[in-house]
Amino acid sequence: QKEVEQNSGPLSVPEGAIASLNCTYSDRVSQSFFWYRQYSGKSPELIMSIYSNGDKEDGRFTAQLNKASQYVSLLIRDSQPSDSATYLCAVNLKTSYDKVIFGPGTSLSVIP
Amino acid sequence: NAGVTQTPKFRILKIGQSMTLQCAQDMNHNYMYWYRQDPGMGLKLIYYSVGAGITDKGEVPNGYNVSRSTTEDFPLRLELAAPSQTSVYFCASSYSDESGGAFFGQGTRLTVV
Repeated sequence: QKEVEQNSGPLSVPEGAIASLNCTYSDRVSQSFFWYRQYSGKSPELIMSIYSNGDKEDGRFTAQLNKASQYVSLLIRDSQPSDSATYLCAVNLKTSYDKVIFGPGTSLSVIP
Repeated sequence: NAGVTQTPKFRILKIGQSMTLQCAQDMNHNYMYWYRQDPGMGLKLIYYSVGAGITDKGEVPNGYNVSRSTTEDFPLRLELAAPSQTSVYFCASSYSDESGGAFFGQGTRLTVV
């Protein structure tokens, strides 16, 4: 099993809809989880971090974490064409040293 | 307010040549990382460092070396470049894993021919 997995997509949603992005991870003791957005040809940009079970909201973005199920998701409400990007899930793995491992990313396209 | 600075932005290498990708951060972050990203793929961790003098291998370390003599700098050395090392390389830094995610440099696009 890969350490961090995501649906590769592409995921297409109409403008104004809710986009749901999912991520699973293999390390049961992981404590830190991150969502990055990456526009084509650009570097990743941190948009959300979450450390506790439950929901964390920031504007139109909501991160959801379920450690028992080893699952983290990102919801984007009122999706805009400017949200079209690749979304990367990242998990800090508690191995010999702390290291952040990224999933393969999900490509999101918001259709006007 | 520079953040994470990578040089060069673009480079073409011939097979067998060597080079060093430079990375510097001015945020006094302890943690620094090197990732590579192949077209249409996610980020793969090459090496990371949790402080000056401490480095460790990531997922794909073969063909690379790093050093961390200061908090600010974390250069990545490519020895005997191969076509398989054609990729976009990102350097990143963070204060710690618990205080938030990482900040990325603008990337170095490397082509080995």
